[in-house]
Amino acid sequence: EAGVAQSPRYKIIEKRQSVAFWCNPISGHATLYWYQQILGQGPKLLIQFQNNGVVDDSQLPKDRFSAERLKGVDSTLKIQPAKLEDSAVYLCASSTRGVMGETQYFGPGTRLLVL
Amino acid sequence: GNSVTQMEGPVTLSEEAFLTINCTYTATGYPSLFWYVQYPGEGLQLLLKATKADDKGSNKGFEATYRKETTSFHLEKGSVQVSDSAVYFCAPQLPTGNQFYFGTGTSLTVIP
Repeated sequence: EAGVAQSPRYKIIEKRQSVAFWCNPISGHATLYWYQQILGQGPKLLIQFQNNGVVDDSQLPKDRFSAERLKGVDSTLKIQPAKLEDSAVYLCASSTRGVMGETQYFGPGTRLLVL
Repeated sequence: GNSVTQMEGPVTLSEEAFLTINCTYTATGYPSLFWYVQYPGEGLQLLLKATKADDKGSNKGFEATYRKETTSFHLEKGSVQVSDSAVYFCAPQLPTGNQFYFGTGTSLTVIP
């Protein structure tokens, strides 16, 4: 079974530029998550989708971050404009139904450096 | 509020030593408890989990027991190997919305 795919793996941009990340979850997984992991910290949930609807985006900085999952499969996360403090690894995860006790499967992440 | 406190690293052990990584949490409701591991250059992987009080999760020689009375989920292994070198994350999963709260991670290095 293929795992969660993410691209690009690395991205370097200057502040105030825009950037987009892509995620393709495990086939059949209805729930998709985006996390931000700043160096030395644990991952922090940014947004959770159930199929193509948003379940939780309470920690997403909506003035600059946006995410979509239009067809309920793959997803994109965008930052516009980027700030220095956005430098982090952006992780995508998926799970079958999004219920408690269920394992989330993580992709390899996209490492973003904002200069 | 919801939070998780994880033993600070880095931790360095000799091969075959006993490992304990402490994890305590505060949560609204009755969470499921997970340990995830991140090997060098790789993504997060599930190590083990427990979904109710007194359950013991185990995998690859690692164990952790869900202790509701002390709100803890300490990770243990009797004899570590060099290949166990990684960063370990404790992650309670809230009963509402199944959101994870990750600890800061504990870096483990096992030397031969």
